[in-house]
Amino acid sequence: GENVEQHPSTLSVQEGDSAVIKCTYSDSASNYFPWYKQELGKGPQLIIDIRSNVGEKKDQRIAVTLNKTAKHFSLHITETQPEDSAVYFCAASAGGNEKLTFGTGTRLTIIP
Amino acid sequence: DTGVSQDPRHKITKRGQNVTFRCDPISEHNRLYWYRQTLGQGPEFLTYFQNEAQLEKSRLLSDRFSAERPKGSFSTLEIQRTEQGDSAMYLCASSWNTDTQYFGPGTRLTVL
Repeated sequence: GENVEQHPSTLSVQEGDSAVIKCTYSDSASNYFPWYKQELGKGPQLIIDIRSNVGEKKDQRIAVTLNKTAKHFSLHITETQPEDSAVYFCAASAGGNEKLTFGTGTRLTIIP
Repeated sequence: DTGVSQDPRHKITKRGQNVTFRCDPISEHNRLYWYRQTLGQGPEFLTYFQNEAQLEKSRLLSDRFSAERPKGSFSTLEIQRTEQGDSAMYLCASSWNTDTQYFGPGTRLTVL
């Protein structure tokens, strides 16, 4: 089955700087890659996703890049703000978006 | 659109007892998913429904676990003869076909 690895597990960034989180996946059939943000006591919330027919997608301060050959994808957050502090999960799915296989999460802390 | 709701939010039970959780998806969504999340880990897929049909079950879903979605709307997840290893956050998500999965706030289960 699919295996998703995520790095780093913790990341501290000065407010205003950029943050990058990287994930690799194992199943070449995977074609849907969402990123979720989870705050304490809440369920995961989708922040951006990408499908395998595109290499990059951007939404304001957030961008995701996908390299299907290398089987890795990354989340980029620019101009970080204190409210960006949370745990971020990458995920992968074959078949478009059925069962999601999640990474182990990155705890992002923005230092004011 | 009131989002995905789950009830109860917290459940404390003694080992050997049965527990049942409920999930109400976003009203027009035809797919409903259950995931389990343990501390410091990403969510793990358990099972999903399309309308009332249960289409896939993970090996994590032992014979003590049963999920139903009788009318294609809300779903229940029952755990019989709970064990301490069942302690986790149980997350429900819903989607319209292969569109974005929206997660509920979860039910935190503690087995004493």
